[in-house]
Amino acid sequence: GQSLEQPSEVTAVEGAIVQINCTYQTSGFYGLSWYQQHDGGAPTFLSYNALDGLEETGRFSSFLSRSDSYGYLLLQELQMKDSASYFCAVNQAGTALIFGKGTTLSVSS
Amino acid sequence: KAGVTQTPRYLIKTRGQQVTLSCSPISGHRSVSWYQQTPGQGLQFLFEYFSETQRNKGNFPGRFSGRQFSNSRSEMNVSTLELGDSALYLCASIGGSNSGELFFGEGSRLTVL
Repeated sequence: GQSLEQPSEVTAVEGAIVQINCTYQTSGFYGLSWYQQHDGGAPTFLSYNALDGLEETGRFSSFLSRSDSYGYLLLQELQMKDSASYFCAVNQAGTALIFGKGTTLSVSS
Repeated sequence: KAGVTQTPRYLIKTRGQQVTLSCSPISGHRSVSWYQQTPGQGLQFLFEYFSETQRNKGNFPGRFSGRQFSNSRSEMNVSTLELGDSALYLCASIGGSNSGELFFGEGSRLTVL
């Protein structure tokens, strides 16, 4: 079968750093994506890793280890507006993505 | 350019009815995917269409169907609605590059009573 595992909830304070892990087990793998979704909003794309290593985009970074079937999203200098749900997703076959159940991040002051 | 447009945004149906949801992708995008989102279950893949052909299908019963037209607009249909079909149905379009980036619409929130 196929599965993506990520923590259901994470809490942190403003200015902190948080890491959201994602492990996956899928029958095919092209890459790992991360999406952010605020309450009532549409998911928006954050990052994509097709190769091992770290990708940095501003305060957000994403890491992939294909050999470990593992990735993470690193959020630095947390702000209140970062409170949202974060989803990892595997690009399994072409362009169809399979999503994890999401991690709810709560940032407090 | 305009984003992904989904209609209707909200709708209420009763058990046993059927519903059709529409999605207009970003201009030039030829691939459309549909997802069902329910609390605690994340986004569950329904199907993907490319150039009017279903390319991938998720693990949903045959009551869920879809199609894509020559202008890339897509519709999904759910027949014989059940209470458990209440969800946010999201459509996403893909630009063609294999970058893992989907562009989502705001979704159609279906409530089945």
